[in-house]
Amino acid sequence: DAGVIQSPRHEVTEMGQEVTLRCKPISGHDYLFWYRQTMMRGLELLIYFNNNVPIDDSGMPEDRFSAKMPNASFSTLKIQPSEPRDSAVYFCASSGITNEKLFFGSGTQLSVL
Amino acid sequence: AQSVTQLGSHVSVSEGALVLLRCNYSSSVPPYLFWYVQYPNQGLQLLLKYTTGATLVKGINGFEAEFKKSETSFHLTKPSAHMSDAAEYFCAVSDPGGSNYKLTFGKGTLLTVNP
Repeated sequence: DAGVIQSPRHEVTEMGQEVTLRCKPISGHDYLFWYRQTMMRGLELLIYFNNNVPIDDSGMPEDRFSAKMPNASFSTLKIQPSEPRDSAVYFCASSGITNEKLFFGSGTQLSVL
Repeated sequence: AQSVTQLGSHVSVSEGALVLLRCNYSSSVPPYLFWYVQYPNQGLQLLLKYTTGATLVKGINGFEAEFKKSETSFHLTKPSAHMSDAAEYFCAVSDPGGSNYKLTFGKGTLLTVNP
């Protein structure tokens, strides 16, 4: 298995633009998580899905952020409009139903200028 | 609400020396506890986890951690540091009584290993 795949690895955009981050979880995993990592706040859980259904989005910072999981093999995190304070590394992770271990992707480094 | 405190954002040791990374947690119920490692430009990888049973947990790469309920601690140790251990280490907690897949992470400890 190729592991959790995220794209793009790096994204540089200008303030006000729409940004879409993509994630392909490990096949067979029922849980998918989006995390954000910054120097100031560390690693924060934004949202997680179980069987493609959003379970807890209490970590989503504001309405500019949205996440979808249209099927078991794909999820997106969208920021519209983006702001400089959104600059961070965004990680996607997945987990199987019988295992508490999270498998992380390599992350997307987002820079909003 | 759960929380994790990692004492020391940066720890520096010499190669061959003992590694001790500290983690204290706050939880209203006996938690599940984890240590993850992040190498540069990579995602996090699980080092070890405690759920139930034996309080001394052994993980990959020679690391181990001991769950001490009375001290609400889960410190990570390795007897002899190797250069390849240089990375950032995260302690995490989840609530087995609730959404046990929802992890709360500490802010991380950057480990530097000097030759």
